[in-house]
Amino acid sequence: EPEVTQTPSHQVTQMGQEVILRCVPISNHLYFYWYRQILGQKVEFLVSFYNNEISEKSEIFDDQFSVERPDGSNFTLKIRSTKLEDSAMYFCASKGTGETQYFGPGTRLLVL
Amino acid sequence: DAKTTQPPSMDCAEGRAANLPCNHSTISGNEYVYWYRQIHSQGPQYIIHGLKNNETNEMASLIITEDRKSSTLILPHATLRDTAVYYCIVSYNSGTYKYIFGTGTRLKVLA
Repeated sequence: EPEVTQTPSHQVTQMGQEVILRCVPISNHLYFYWYRQILGQKVEFLVSFYNNEISEKSEIFDDQFSVERPDGSNFTLKIRSTKLEDSAMYFCASKGTGETQYFGPGTRLLVL
Repeated sequence: DAKTTQPPSMDCAEGRAANLPCNHSTISGNEYVYWYRQIHSQGPQYIIHGLKNNETNEMASLIITEDRKSSTLILPHATLRDTAVYYCIVSYNSGTYKYIFGTGTRLKVLA
């Protein structure tokens, strides 16, 4: 069964460093998403991406964040200058022409 | 804010049916109800979704009330592996189909 994959599974970085989180959505899916979950808190929407552009972003998704679909298969989330409060699980999701989003296993980001 | 409310926690005996309620009184006519679960910090796992009619798949059944203001997820024979946080989500029909997660119901299946 097709699934969303994410790399790396864990990432440790120093405050102020740039990180890139990678996702391979399900083939033929058209809509792509990033969500995050701070430890012990709710899953929060960050951004949606469709037709090679951001279709919606939340207040969390400020200028430090960017997304890209560089090669037609990968979908990346870049955090330009990480802060301590960026420590969280980051989930990628994708959706095809149906109604359902499918989530990846997540990347655990720890900013020291 | 999430458009759904769920009890924070529930227990269920192994082998029994787990019935997880969800209120979504402000749901619009073209919004779907989705159920996902999250085991530990893994990615949310899709379970089932519906619009108006009751739905059943290999994992669960979804019962939606006639006025669509509430629904119930039924796990017919709960196992220890069903211990998870269950999220009821109403699709945010803004065109991007983003999900707004609530705090969910923490289901504990007891041996």
